[in-house]
Formats: sequence, C-alpha cells, structure tokens
Amino acid sequence: DVKVTQSSRYLVKRTGEKVFLECVQDMDHENMFWYRQDPGLGLRLIYFSYDVKMKEKGDIPEGYSVSREKKERFSLILESASTNQTSMYLCASSSGQGASPLHFGNGTRLTVT
Amino acid sequence: GQQLNQSPQSMFIQEGEDVSMNCTSSSIFNTWLWYKQDPGEGPVLLIALYKAGELTSNGRLTAQFGITRKDSFLNISASIPSDVGIYFCAGQNSNTGNQFYFGTGTSLTVIP
Repeated sequence: DVKVTQSSRYLVKRTGEKVFLECVQDMDHENMFWYRQDPGLGLRLIYFSYDVKMKEKGDIPEGYSVSREKKERFSLILESASTNQTSMYLCASSSGQGASPLHFGNGTRLTVT
Repeated sequence: GQQLNQSPQSMFIQEGEDVSMNCTSSSIFNTWLWYKQDPGEGPVLLIALYKAGELTSNGRLTAQFGITRKDSFLNISASIPSDVGIYFCAGQNSNTGNQFYFGTGTSLTVIP
C-alpha cells in the first residue's frame, strides 16, 4: 500500500512566522502535489513536482513555495504566514506512469493566529 | 483552475437506502477517480475509471465513466453508518497535463 505521511496533523502558528509542512511518500512516486482544502471550495492545487528539484505552480501558489531535494520528500513553505492561510493542507503523490491516481496523506490542519 | 460540478452537495438518508451522486465537467477527461474523506483525515481512493463507458465496482460501491467523457457517477447500495463522509470526484486529461481537477464534494449522512 502507498503511504504518504505528513509530519504534523495539527499546527498553530502566528502571523508572520515561517512555516514548513513536510510530506514523505514511500512508493518511489515521481509526482508529488500540495493542495489546500477549504469548506465550499474543494481542493485547490498550490504546487506540484514531477521530479527532484523540479516544481510547477498550481492554481493558488501566491504566498507559498516548495522544495523537493529528494524524490520521496516534498515540502511546502509559507514564507510569512497569514490568517487567510488557515486551512487543511493535503499532500499527494502519484506514479509517473500514465494516468495514475493520487494517493493522499492524512492532512495537516494549520491555524494561523 | 477548473472545478467540477458535483451533486448533490449533501444527502441525508436512512440506513439501508441506496445513494447516487454525480460529477460533470465542461471538458473531457480520460481518467475519473472517486474518493471518500472521513472527518479530519485525507481522501482515500475508492474507484478509478480509465475508459468511457467503464463500470467498476468496489464492494457496495459502483462507479461509471460517462460515455461523453464529461461526467461520472457513483452509487452506494444498502448504505451503512460507516458510509458517512465526504465523497469527491476527480478528473484528469493526461493529454493536456497531469493535473487532477476536483469536485466540491458530496457530504453523506446515514441515519441509523
């Protein structure tokens, strides 16, 4: 079974702090994704990566950056957290083979006060 | 980004009833996925569909890839309390990129 692990289930940070959300997958997947999930808005793609050291902007990249130094790890960085970044963050991975489904982690509930 | 129209938004049903929900898109997809999300957890893949007209089952769940390639359907038969959760559809056209687009979810409540 694919396992996608997000390092924190719950985080509380203050406005202006730099925040790191970590995600690790154990299936040697090429593709990794970061989404945020908000009520009524569904899942929105922030950033994704198809390979090590490679990143692409999703639909809502503003205020975020990412890092993929190793194939199994994809980090989401909030350079200066703001209250409108309070959300559920979901990491996902998929194989690079054709139409491969996404496998999600359990999510990180981030609150910015 | 594109968002899929998923309906209904919420459902309240009696245990034992069947459930139907659907997802539509303005553009064609060559992959449809259905996920279930429990409160406080990440989405879990239920069914993957890769071909127009395909009908696939997973236990009491059955999903279909619409023949227009712009819609998909999920049915749950004989619902039980543990079916409670939010169900999401996701679609992808791998010819135009690897991005998946998601529906806004159907919240299912099963009344014992």
